Amino acid sequence: EAGVAQSPRYKIIEKRQSVAFWCNPISGHATLYWYQQILGQGPKLLIQFQNNGVVDDSQLPKDRFSAERLKGVDSTLKIQPAKLEDSAVYLCASSPGQFPYEQYFGPGTRLTVT
Amino acid sequence: ELKVEQNPLFLSMQEGKNYTIYCNYSTTSDRLYWYRQDPGKSLESLFVLLSNGAVKQEGRLMASLDTKARLSTLHITAAVHDLSATYFCAVPTSGTYKYIFGTGTRLKVLA
Repeated sequence: EAGVAQSPRYKIIEKRQSVAFWCNPISGHATLYWYQQILGQGPKLLIQFQNNGVVDDSQLPKDRFSAERLKGVDSTLKIQPAKLEDSAVYLCASSPGQFPYEQYFGPGTRLTVT
Repeated sequence: ELKVEQNPLFLSMQEGKNYTIYCNYSTTSDRLYWYRQDPGKSLESLFVLLSNGAVKQEGRLMASLDTKARLSTLHITAAVHDLSATYFCAVPTSGTYKYIFGTGTRLKVLA
């Protein structure tokens, strides 16, 4: 079974530029999560999708971050414009459903904003 | 708001020694997850604890859950260098099942 795929793996941008990350969850997984992990900290949930609907986006900085999950499969997370404090690893995870099943994490995208 | 705290934050230990990592959480939950993260890598699931009194063991690691005390422990027996990593616990909230991660425990096992 293929795992959670993410791209790109690394990205370096200047502040005020925009960037987009892509995630392909495990086939059949209804729930998809985007996390931000700042160096030395635990992952922080940014947004949670159930199929193509948003379940929780309470910690998503909506003035600069946006996310979508078209057709309930792939998802993209966008930052526009980026700030220095957005430098982090962005992790995508998926699980079979909204009930607290085990999550499976992708390799992450390491973003550096200069 | 659910808070999840781990201690210690850093742990340096000699090979062959035993130690315990603690995970405390602030509101009711009947399940808890432990993950391992190697430097520059993603999170790998270690244990899924689904009920009060649950105990899981894999190799030199054993995890337990006490939902009444809102406490989980990850016990390391006879540590080896390969266990060096950061360990996170995560607790799902009720309702939306949003996962709150602990602060992480960075373990270094010295040869």
